[in-house]
Amino acid sequence: DTAVSQTPKYLVTQMGNDKSIKCEQNLGHDTMYWYKQDSKKFLKIMFSYNNKELIINETVPNRFSPKSPDKAHLNLHINSLELGDSAVYFCASSRQGLYNEQFFGPGTRLTVL
Amino acid sequence: AQSVTQLDSQVPVFEEAPVELRCNYSSSVSVYLFWYVQYPNQGLQLLLKYLSGSTLVKGINGFEAEFNKSQTSFHLRKPSVHISDTAEYFCAVSDDPGGGADGLTFGKGTHLIIQP
Repeated sequence: DTAVSQTPKYLVTQMGNDKSIKCEQNLGHDTMYWYKQDSKKFLKIMFSYNNKELIINETVPNRFSPKSPDKAHLNLHINSLELGDSAVYFCASSRQGLYNEQFFGPGTRLTVL
Repeated sequence: AQSVTQLDSQVPVFEEAPVELRCNYSSSVSVYLFWYVQYPNQGLQLLLKYLSGSTLVKGINGFEAEFNKSQTSFHLRKPSVHISDTAEYFCAVSDDPGGGADGLTFGKGTHLIIQP
């Protein structure tokens, strides 16, 4: 069974569109995250979220918004997509008390044309 | 604030040779250190972690790393590499022992290339 899953695996879309990437974890973890990996492989935290608080990296544009329908899901919604949003987006999860050992999903490659 | 530096963007090594991937960190508080591996077109997989205790940490696939507080380093080593070790390796740091609301801070990655 996949611990952290993301859909879709690939997403190609036009500039200006709105899109969502879904993430689900079946590990019973408390905290979920979104990371962006750019073309140079650099990974950067975008959001972390548990049932108490949302922490947003201040460099993330407000076109990006995480939505959590329940504890096992943290979806990433992106409005008005721009060329610079093209990247691989990784979802991850962890459980409090486990020293931030995070489990990553397989990634979603977003290409904005 | 914390940061991670991986000085080598690319490391070519012959098969069955030893390898060391360097990682240095900076942090004003206690740190927890991780190495992740990313195989081509896949997500990140945890190789090993240092939380406390013994400074020599053993991970999966024959990798190990040594935490050196005085040199603020956490270098990754393997005595004999295999073609299947070709991947991107990321060093990461967290100063949060309670579950990581701030996420992990990653280095820029080192591409390990195994040559036959």
